Amino acid sequence: GAGVSQSPRYKVAKRGQDVALRCDPISGHVSLFWYQQALGQGPEFLTYFQNEAQLDKSGLPSDRFFAERPEGSVSTLKIQRTQQEDSAVYLCASSSLGSLAKNIQYFGAGTRLSVL
Amino acid sequence: AQKVTQAQTEISVVEKEDVTLDCVYETRDTTYYLFWYKQPPSGELVFLIRRNSFDEQNEISGRYSWNFQKSTSSFNFTITASQVVDSAVYFCALRTSGSRLTFGEGTQLTVNP
Repeated sequence: GAGVSQSPRYKVAKRGQDVALRCDPISGHVSLFWYQQALGQGPEFLTYFQNEAQLDKSGLPSDRFFAERPEGSVSTLKIQRTQQEDSAVYLCASSSLGSLAKNIQYFGAGTRLSVL
Repeated sequence: AQKVTQAQTEISVVEKEDVTLDCVYETRDTTYYLFWYKQPPSGELVFLIRRNSFDEQNEISGRYSWNFQKSTSSFNFTITASQVVDSAVYFCALRTSGSRLTFGEGTQLTVNP
């Protein structure tokens, strides 16, 4: 596709439910990133993939958060046993090369997760 | 550790005014990249500019200009003759040798007609 696509755009979950958020990166982009953006704040890094390899998951806030990219393209961010503090916008970004600092990350519109 | 500070939480201007958004960064790395992104109400972060630590030349692109000063660790963004469509949240971000972008808290710009 032309840009990074994320689905669903909005997700409402009851506390304790599991959720799965999908990211379709720009075609051919090697690197994929997930960020969490709380209301009124800047995005915060969660995890990074280069192709199918998860090279950095240091930003995942707990072991309830899990991300995968099995074929090096589409990625899924899964949150188990959701809690209210997980409510945020989850942004996905992709870039064309590896983890070079100069690479531009292109973002999707995000998934807004509300945990009731 | 990296840190980006955008001290202005909200700015409100009248159309056609010039407005400058401030960004101050902290890093111990000598090689790094700075970015500005725009986040309109639709939510998507839109890339505006990238600057590396070895290039302090200021840049102008249409109504947008950027002033990078290593001596003060600042990378400020100016919009000339602002328009209502410029209303958005603007983020400054820093990236060094790792994979992640470190964002500031953002500045909400409102341009009133």
